[in-house]
Amino acid sequence: KAGVTQTPRYLIKTRGQQVTLSCSPISGHRSVSWYQQTPGQGLQFLFEYFSETQRNKGNFPGRFSGRQFSNSRSEMNVSTLELGDSALYLCASSLTGRGNEKLFFGSGTQLSVL
Amino acid sequence: GESVGLHLPTLSVQEGDNSIINCAYSNSASDYFIWYKQESGKGPQFIIDIRSNMDKRQGQRVTVLLNKTVKHLSLQIAATQPGDSAVYFCADLTGGSYIPTFGRGTSLIVHP
Repeated sequence: KAGVTQTPRYLIKTRGQQVTLSCSPISGHRSVSWYQQTPGQGLQFLFEYFSETQRNKGNFPGRFSGRQFSNSRSEMNVSTLELGDSALYLCASSLTGRGNEKLFFGSGTQLSVL
Repeated sequence: GESVGLHLPTLSVQEGDNSIINCAYSNSASDYFIWYKQESGKGPQFIIDIRSNMDKRQGQRVTVLLNKTVKHLSLQIAATQPGDSAVYFCADLTGGSYIPTFGRGTSLIVHP
């Protein structure tokens, strides 16, 4: 069974640009969550999608957005990139995102903003 | 999980030693706790979990201890191996939330 797949693995962008990251969850998983990981702030929750709907949202500015498709694949978008957006962006999937289900993480997309 | 500052705490051990990684949480309503392991270049991977109605749970070479009185969680790794070198995170959830709060993490370095 394939794990969570994130593409691309690395990205380099400049300030002001926008970026789209992709996540394919484990087959059958319908909940997809996104996290930002930085050395200073650790793992911070961005948002969670289930059945193409954003169900939970973390405390990030509106420049951070996402969506989920009918096949549960998800994308997140960051517009007007800032230097502080440089981070590892992790996607995690679970069956329903409810209860105490295990989260399965992808290897992340390392975003560098210059 | 708690905020422990900008620098990642580091634990260095010799191969074969037992390792103990600690974590404090702040939400007294948290009722489910998870330990994750993150190897370099990979995402976090589930290790073991424990519910608040337990104070100890054992897995393969790992034991999690929960002390709700002082809001403290620990992960014990027996006979630590070089492959255990990674960053370890604790995470907690409350009954009303399905989104875990992650601690800052501890870097475990195992010397052969």
